[in-house]
Amino acid sequence: NAGVTQTPKFRILKIGQSMTLQCTQDMNHNYMYWYRQDPGMGLKLIYYSVGAGITDKGEVPNGYNVSRSTTEDFPLRLELAAPSQTSVYFCASSYSESNSPLHFGNGTRLTVT
Amino acid sequence: AQKITQTQPGMFVQEKEAVTLDCTYDTSDPSYGLFWYKQPSSGEMIFLIYQGSYDQQNATEGRYSLNFQKARKSANLVISASQLGDSAMYFCAMREGKRDDKIIFGKGTRLHILP
Repeated sequence: NAGVTQTPKFRILKIGQSMTLQCTQDMNHNYMYWYRQDPGMGLKLIYYSVGAGITDKGEVPNGYNVSRSTTEDFPLRLELAAPSQTSVYFCASSYSESNSPLHFGNGTRLTVT
Repeated sequence: AQKITQTQPGMFVQEKEAVTLDCTYDTSDPSYGLFWYKQPSSGEMIFLIYQGSYDQQNATEGRYSLNFQKARKSANLVISASQLGDSAMYFCAMREGKRDDKIIFGKGTRLHILP
C-alpha cells in the first residue's frame, strides 16, 4: 500500500518555465489537497478537490492550476514559474468524514531561479 | 473566515517534562474538527490527534492529549513525559463542517527537547 505518492522529489525551474507536480493516492480517498510550505512556515492551501471533476481554490491559488479527472490523481500545474513559487509542495488526501485525517505525500522541493 | 493561530514560534523543554502547545481558532461553523500534526526534521507530516467540536471529552492518544476549551476557541496539545524524539514542528489544523471542506493550518510551533 503506497499511500500518497508525489513526483518528482526535487526540481529546479528557470523563471517562466512550466511544470506539473504529480500526485496519486491508492486509498480511494475522495478528498485531495495541495499545500505549499515556505521555509519555517506553516502550510498554505493552494487547491483542493472533493471528488473527480470537482476542484476549488484554497488560500493561495494564483499561479497554479489543477485538474481531477480520476479519484486517484490530482496533478498541480505551475505556469510561468516565478521565484515566489520556490517552496516545498505537499499533496494530501483523506476520506470525506470530518474526523478523517490527512495522509500526506513526502513533498516536492521546488526551486525557481 | 477560517483562522488558526499558534502564538509560540519556538519552545525549549527539558526531557521528561510535560509541554503544552497553544492553538486558538476562529470559525462561525458550529461543526468543525481540529487536528494536530508533527513534522520532524526529515519533513514528513505525521497525524497525532483529532478533536471534534461536538466531542464531549478531550481527545487522548498515548502521550498526546488535547485541552479543548470550546468557549475560548482553544485546542492546546499536551505532550506528557517529553522525549528527545518529540523535537519537531507541530501544526494545528482545522476543518469546518460540511459547508467547507478546506483544511487550514496554523504557522506551527518548533519544539526543542533538551537532554
